[in-house]
Amino acid sequence: EDQVTQSPEALRLQEGESSSLNCSYTVSGLRGLFWYRQDPGKGPEFLFTLYSAGEEKEKERLKATLTKKESFLHITAPKPEDSATYLCAVIDNTDKLIFGTGTRLQVFP
Amino acid sequence: KAGVTQTPRYLIKTRGQQVTLSCSPISGHRSVSWYQQTPGQGLQFLFEYFSETQRNKGNFPGRFSGRQFSNSRSEMNVSTLELGDSALYLCASSLNAFGNTEAFFGQGTRLTVV
Repeated sequence: EDQVTQSPEALRLQEGESSSLNCSYTVSGLRGLFWYRQDPGKGPEFLFTLYSAGEEKEKERLKATLTKKESFLHITAPKPEDSATYLCAVIDNTDKLIFGTGTRLQVFP
Repeated sequence: KAGVTQTPRYLIKTRGQQVTLSCSPISGHRSVSWYQQTPGQGLQFLFEYFSETQRNKGNFPGRFSGRQFSNSRSEMNVSTLELGDSALYLCASSLNAFGNTEAFFGQGTRLTVV
């Protein structure tokens, strides 16, 4: 059965303290991996798409990487405004989008 | 460019009633998918519509149904509401069939069943 697991469930960082979020997956025929950011009471906001192992994408303080079994979202020198829930999702070979349960990030000044 | 619009934003319904939620995708997007989000289960895929046809379906009972119109707008219907249907319902649109392009989400409709 296709599965997406995110860790940790929650992460508290001091402003400027870099860290990484993990998304591990088992899926039949990975067609793509997505990262989203979700603020309370809002819909997920698209961040990145990764399609093949070794691929990397960057946007401001965020960098996403992909291997054959997992993806990492690296946050460099985070700011309080980076506080949100970060969701990882994969598309399998039936074109269904399967989400992990997310990592709730809190960045304190 | 307008984003994905979902209406209404909030709904309170009684058990046994039915409800219809609406989603207007980004202009030019042809695919609309629906998700249920709850604290315990996270985001779960309901179904996807592309060019007025249901292209994919998740593991939800038949009480959950949807449709897409020729202008790509979509509606989702839940009949015989149960307390467990209380959730945030999210709609996402993408340019082409879902597996090929990224999805952009609306703000969601918060449904409370009492």
